[in-house]
Amino acid sequence: QSALTQPASVSGSPGQSITISCTGTSSDVGGYNYVSWYQQYPGKAPKVLIYEVSNRPSGVSNRFSGSKSVNTASLTISGLQAEDEADYYCTSYSGISTLVFGSGTKVTVL
Amino acid sequence: QVQLQESGPGLVKASQTLSLTCTVFGDSVRSGNYFWNWIRQPAGKGLEWIGRIYTSGTTSYNPSLQSRVTISLGTSKNQFSLKVTSVTAADTAVYYCARYDGKMTALDYWGQGTLVTVSS
Repeated sequence: QSALTQPASVSGSPGQSITISCTGTSSDVGGYNYVSWYQQYPGKAPKVLIYEVSNRPSGVSNRFSGSKSVNTASLTISGLQAEDEADYYCTSYSGISTLVFGSGTKVTVL
Repeated sequence: QVQLQESGPGLVKASQTLSLTCTVFGDSVRSGNYFWNWIRQPAGKGLEWIGRIYTSGTTSYNPSLQSRVTISLGTSKNQFSLKVTSVTAADTAVYYCARYDGKMTALDYWGQGTLVTVSS
């Protein structure tokens, strides 16, 4: 079970949109619509932003959106704000009731 | 409101067994369509899923850790636990417990995390 591949870092200016990719295989990301995304601030527990590829839990800003194409899922942050500076992780169901996390992406607001 | 809290020794000697408990407030680990998970994060590194247990007691583990990990439901209806045997420095990490909602299919509630250091 290998970690899903995410870019180590992504940056953008306030107001811009950025996209974080999460690449897996047909055994995880490509095989199920059970991809979720999490935001983590330093020293804090992660918080879910997106579930089932593109759904937002209540209370999560609509500036966060998710999508998937074949074996790659994506998280887009629109209207980038200073408070979006954090680490982001994807996770996917990986068969036989297991989960796998992405390698994580540090978002920097310039 | 559901809350989770990890507890256990912060220091474990190499080759011994790491044991942690997660106490769940506002929910029962023995009911509902939920999976109760353990996740860890070494300092400065990413999240690693360790394993989970369903309300029925059925478990599943990360294949890379399966031979050393046991997750079980506690005798109390609001606790579950983690044991990792034969620990090494590589097991030093912040350990999180989290609830996976089987309907939402995401980890919706997390504990604050507890640091476990393996000493030689």
